[in-house]
Amino acid sequence: GENVEQHPSTLSVQEGDSAVIKCTYSDSASNYFPWYKQELGKRPQLIIDIRSNVGEKKDQRIAVTLNKTAKHFSLHITETQPEDSAVYFCAASSRAAGNKLTFGGGTRVLVKP
Amino acid sequence: ETGVTQTPRHLVMGMTNKKSLKCEQHLGHNAMYWYKQSAKKPLELMFVYNFKEQTENNSVPSRFSPECPNSSHLFLHLHTLQPEDSALYLCASSQEGGGETQYFGPGTRLLVL
Repeated sequence: GENVEQHPSTLSVQEGDSAVIKCTYSDSASNYFPWYKQELGKRPQLIIDIRSNVGEKKDQRIAVTLNKTAKHFSLHITETQPEDSAVYFCAASSRAAGNKLTFGGGTRVLVKP
Repeated sequence: ETGVTQTPRHLVMGMTNKKSLKCEQHLGHNAMYWYKQSAKKPLELMFVYNFKEQTENNSVPSRFSPECPNSSHLFLHLHTLQPEDSALYLCASSQEGGGETQYFGPGTRLLVL
């Protein structure tokens, strides 16, 4: 089945700097890659997603890139703010695997003011 | 947010108790999911229901018993749990059975004594 690895597990950045989180996946048939943000004590919420027919997607300060050949995708947060502090999860979904979402282990991001 | 609701939000139970977790989605979705979220572990998919039919049981012990009476409601019946079952149990829903955005409930924080 699908295996998703996420790095780093923790990330501390200064406010205003950029943060990058990387994920790799094992199933070459995976075609949907969402990113979720989970603030302390709250539910995971989708912040951005990308499908395999697109290489990059941007939404304000957040961008996701996908490299299908290398089977990895990354989340980029620019001009970080204290409210970006949270745990971020990547995931991959493959029709061949019954469309289950397989999640990475999460990255705890701390933005220091 | 009221799209996906879960009750109770917190639950403490003994190993001999029987309790049930409830999830309700108001989004008109046809697929519902149970996840387990433990400290320092990835989100673990437990069960998937599509159009009220169970389509995934991710090797979950029989002390967890799901029930999906209709597309809007999902239950997780608990009996003779172990302390290692203490975790945050998250419900999610999506339009169909995969490859698209899942919307999460707030979770039930379970403590087994």
